[in-house]
Amino acid sequence: EAGVAQSPRYKIIEKRQSVAFWCNPISGHATLYWYQQILGQGPKLLIQFQNNGVVDDSQLPKDRFSAERLKGVDSTLKIQPAKLEDSAVYLCASSSLRSQLALFFGEGSRLTVL
Amino acid sequence: GNSVTQMEGPVTLSEEAFLTINCTYTATGYPSLFWYVQYPGEGLQLLLKATKADDKGSNKGFEATYRKETTSFHLEKGSVQVSDSAVYFCALRKSGGTSYGKLTFGQGTILTVHP
Repeated sequence: EAGVAQSPRYKIIEKRQSVAFWCNPISGHATLYWYQQILGQGPKLLIQFQNNGVVDDSQLPKDRFSAERLKGVDSTLKIQPAKLEDSAVYLCASSSLRSQLALFFGEGSRLTVL
Repeated sequence: GNSVTQMEGPVTLSEEAFLTINCTYTATGYPSLFWYVQYPGEGLQLLLKATKADDKGSNKGFEATYRKETTSFHLEKGSVQVSDSAVYFCALRKSGGTSYGKLTFGQGTILTVHP
């Protein structure tokens, strides 16, 4: 079974530029999550989708971050414009409706903002 | 709100030593508790979980017991190996609500095991 796929693995941009990350969850998983992991901290949930609807985006900085999951499968997370403090690893995870306790994480996309 | 506090790291041990990584939590109701592990260059993986008080989760020689009276979920292993070197995260998922699967993580503890 293929795992959660993310791309790109690494991205370096300058502040005020934009960036987009892509995630393809495990096949059949209805729930998709984006987490932000700043160096030395635990991951923090940015947004949670169930199918193509948003369940929780309370910690998403909506003035600069956006995410979509138009067809209920893969998802993109965009940052525009980026700030220095956005440097982090962006983790995508998915889970099935039947087993919400088991989250499967991708390897992450590491963003460096200069 | 919900929060998880892990012991400060990093932790450095010799092979075959006993490991304890402390984790305490603050939450309303009866959360589920988890330990995730992140090996170098890999994504987060679920190590073990416990869903109710006094449950013991175990996997790969690691174990942790859900202690509601002390709001703790300490991770232990009797004899660590070099291959256990990784970052360990304690996490909780609140009970009820619509945000199924939403995890609150601790800050992580780096474990390094020397031969």
